[in-house]
Amino acid sequence: ETGVTQTPRHLVMGMTNKKSLKCEQHLGHNAMYWYKQSAKKPLELMFVYSLEERVENNSVPSRFSPECPNSSHLFLHLHTLQPEDSALYLCASSQEYRGVYQPQHFGDGTRLSIL
Amino acid sequence: AQKITQTQPGMFVQEKEAVTLDCTYDTSDQSYGLFWYKQPSSGEMIFLIYQGSYDEQNATEGRYSLNFQKARKSANLVISASQLGDSAMYFCAMAGNTGFQKLVFGTGTRLLVSP
Repeated sequence: ETGVTQTPRHLVMGMTNKKSLKCEQHLGHNAMYWYKQSAKKPLELMFVYSLEERVENNSVPSRFSPECPNSSHLFLHLHTLQPEDSALYLCASSQEYRGVYQPQHFGDGTRLSIL
Repeated sequence: AQKITQTQPGMFVQEKEAVTLDCTYDTSDQSYGLFWYKQPSSGEMIFLIYQGSYDEQNATEGRYSLNFQKARKSANLVISASQLGDSAMYFCAMAGNTGFQKLVFGTGTRLLVSP
């Protein structure tokens, strides 16, 4: 396996369900990210984990709960979502060096639909 | 705060021709990084090219080059010899001097390459 892998690719859930999105990176990176991509809007950064510590929570509602058990895995736990949460959720990873910019590598995304 | 502006919602180009995708940015940081990503219909964000704010030469990666004009705060992507597989959304993004890479994305440009 190479790169960043996200599962599932597609998810349909009701507003009362609980589900989780999974992301795994095989690049040896030390930072991982969750982004939300809605139609006709720029990608929105949701969460950043650097060295397994959450360093950014971009005013995301509490119905989204991230978890980073180790540097290779990132989860996004979902509960009681709203229809406006339907979007493409992208995971990314990068190698962080202070003052040096490295590209983020993205997974294929999970397309989430809330009924 | 950082901001990326992509003013071209869509661009059309014929195969084998060159095309320029516009990107302007706004930041108060002295050090920053500029990135271009390609997103095919499959959803994955593919890193194309990077330009650092202190780099004196324009970045090039194969058929991609970045026309960096610091005084104008522009970072246009030039694709030479377009191919049908270049049809996709293209996003300009930047990371400022935060110690980790909080990428800010533009709204994207959809490029269609015709035979």
